[in-house]
Amino acid sequence: NAGVTQTPKFQVLKTGQSMTLQCAQDMNHEYMSWYRQDPGMGLRLIHYSVGAGITDQGEVPNGYNVSRSTTEDFPLRLLSAAPSQTSVYFCASRRGDSPPSRYGYTFGSGTRLTVV
Amino acid sequence: TQLLEQSPQFLSIQEGENLTVYCNSSSVFSSLQWYRQEPGEGPVLLVTVVTGGEVKKLKRLTFQFGDARKDSSLHITAAQPGDTGLYLCAGERGSTLGRLYFGRGTQLTVWP
Repeated sequence: NAGVTQTPKFQVLKTGQSMTLQCAQDMNHEYMSWYRQDPGMGLRLIHYSVGAGITDQGEVPNGYNVSRSTTEDFPLRLLSAAPSQTSVYFCASRRGDSPPSRYGYTFGSGTRLTVV
Repeated sequence: TQLLEQSPQFLSIQEGENLTVYCNSSSVFSSLQWYRQEPGEGPVLLVTVVTGGEVKKLKRLTFQFGDARKDSSLHITAAQPGDTGLYLCAGERGSTLGRLYFGRGTQLTVWP
């Protein structure tokens, strides 16, 4: 099992450029999420999905778009990159079931993005 | 405002000491998860607790879920340098499926 795969691992963008961070999981997990991690801020939720065709905003969604056309993939699109979006981005997934759930999330190894 | 307040933010101790990390909220959670993250990697799940008052042990790590399901703690006995890392608590609420709320984390350093 590959788990959660994120690509690319590193990226440098110029202000105003757009790009897509890829996330794929092979565990047939219904729930998928995108987080950004900044020093002293912990993990902040950008967007999440509870199944194909269903997405919702987290606490810091501005400047980012997502779509979920398949169970396996959950790409994150940066529309017009800004220096404030310099961060480490993590994708995570878990099996969907009714609460309370003992299933935890599996995280990818992250994408380190720098916007100059 | 963080839904989950985690303390302390930093902890620097000598090998062999005991420590406790706290995760508190005014909200009720259906489950509480603890993760550990090492530099350059994503968080890795340590444990999930779902029942009020539940205690789970993982070798020298003891996790507890508060009776009211609003708080949790992580206790490490006789810490070792290999325990060094960022510890994160995270909770799920029954009203918001698929959404995980994180605390800001505790950076633990254990010196030999």
